[in-house]
Amino acid sequence: GQQLNQSPQSMFIQEGEDVSMNCTSSSIFNTWLWYKQDPGEGPVLLIALYKAGELTSNGRLTAQFGITRKDSFLNISASIPSDVGIYFCAGHTYSGGGADGLTFGKGTHLIIQP
Amino acid sequence: ETGVTQTPRHLVMGMTNKKSLKCEQHLGHNAMYWYKQSAKKPLELMFVYSLEERVENNSVPSRFSPECPNSSHLFLHLHTLQPEDSALYLCASSRNRGLAGANVLTFGAGSRLTVL
Repeated sequence: GQQLNQSPQSMFIQEGEDVSMNCTSSSIFNTWLWYKQDPGEGPVLLIALYKAGELTSNGRLTAQFGITRKDSFLNISASIPSDVGIYFCAGHTYSGGGADGLTFGKGTHLIIQP
Repeated sequence: ETGVTQTPRHLVMGMTNKKSLKCEQHLGHNAMYWYKQSAKKPLELMFVYSLEERVENNSVPSRFSPECPNSSHLFLHLHTLQPEDSALYLCASSRNRGLAGANVLTFGAGSRLTVL
């Protein structure tokens, strides 16, 4: 099946710094999703991208759907302590439309140092 | 209560025990899912139910047995598990099975399973 390469695996940053993470694949996706998982909780959807080249913001978060449809990035500006968690990308192909067409990355652990 | 609720949040069991995980959604969704989350691995899809009918089973061992008595409830029955089955088991739901457009997954908080 498809694989997503998500990087970096972890990030140690200072509060107030900007954050950038990305996902790449050798396969084409029709939808890119970014989820965040707080400690002890399930993933929560942050941003959904549906068109190649699309740039979408949600507060301090900005995500883009790559032109090639094989990559996506997520940026967080001016990080705050509550940004700590694991960020997952997910790509969806429309093969059958079901969850078997949804592939997750391994996640980026964001740790904010005081 | 709203969203997707999973119980228990934590479960420790021996390899010969029988236990069950429960998931309940109050979102009016028609599709429900079980995912396995292990450290440093992508989320693994286990089972999909659409309108109470199992539509996908991703080569999951028979020691995991799902049950969907109605569109709001989903169970995962566990029997004779192995230590490598220790993981966070996430339940999710979506309005319909076809994950396109605004129809995305809503996850529960998960059940942390430890098999001794």
